[in-house]
Amino acid sequence: EAGVAQSPRYKIIEKRQSVAFWCNPISGHATLYWYQQILGQGPKLLIQFQNNGVVDDSQLPKDRFSAERLKGVDSTLKIQPAKLEDSAVYLCASSFLATGELFFGEGSRLTVL
Amino acid sequence: AQKITQTQPGMFVQEKEAVTLDCTYDTSDPSYGLFWYKQPSSGEMIFLIYQGSYDQQNATEGRYSLNFQKARKSANLVISASQLGDSAMYFCAMRGMGRDDMRFGAGTRLTVKP
Repeated sequence: EAGVAQSPRYKIIEKRQSVAFWCNPISGHATLYWYQQILGQGPKLLIQFQNNGVVDDSQLPKDRFSAERLKGVDSTLKIQPAKLEDSAVYLCASSFLATGELFFGEGSRLTVL
Repeated sequence: AQKITQTQPGMFVQEKEAVTLDCTYDTSDPSYGLFWYKQPSSGEMIFLIYQGSYDQQNATEGRYSLNFQKARKSANLVISASQLGDSAMYFCAMRGMGRDDMRFGAGTRLTVKP
């Protein structure tokens, strides 16, 4: 089966610009996650969707980050305006069971100059 | 709140030897799952092994085993017969049953020496 798809793989922008990342989860996976992984750290959960509803966005910096999952399938994470500290890999993951493992995409590496 | 602690930023092991990566956790959930992921330099997160809090036996998957000590709240990963391809970051993670979010530790960088 196809894995979690993410794009773009790499993005370089200047601070105060905007950027959007796209994720398509594994077919049939109701739960979708966006994680931020800063170099040398573990992934940090930004937002979690169950179908097209938000379950947890407590760690999402809502003044600049937004995410949506229309139709309960693919999802978009947007950053506007970007700051230098947003440089990180943005990982999308999905799961079938609420208690099972997460399946990750290859990530989108963002560099903010 | 859930918390995962990995106290070893880096570990070295000789090829073909065994290595233990430490993980301790804290949670108020009565039941939970513990996971280990491998992240090679290419960046993808690869699921390795899972242990449920009510599982009586330690989980094993090929060369990976999880040394689960519930009373001590530890879930150490043991890799037997290390290979050069095992060099990577390793993350311990936890998910409470009935909670969908998964929290990760800071990771341990394992380097396997020839």
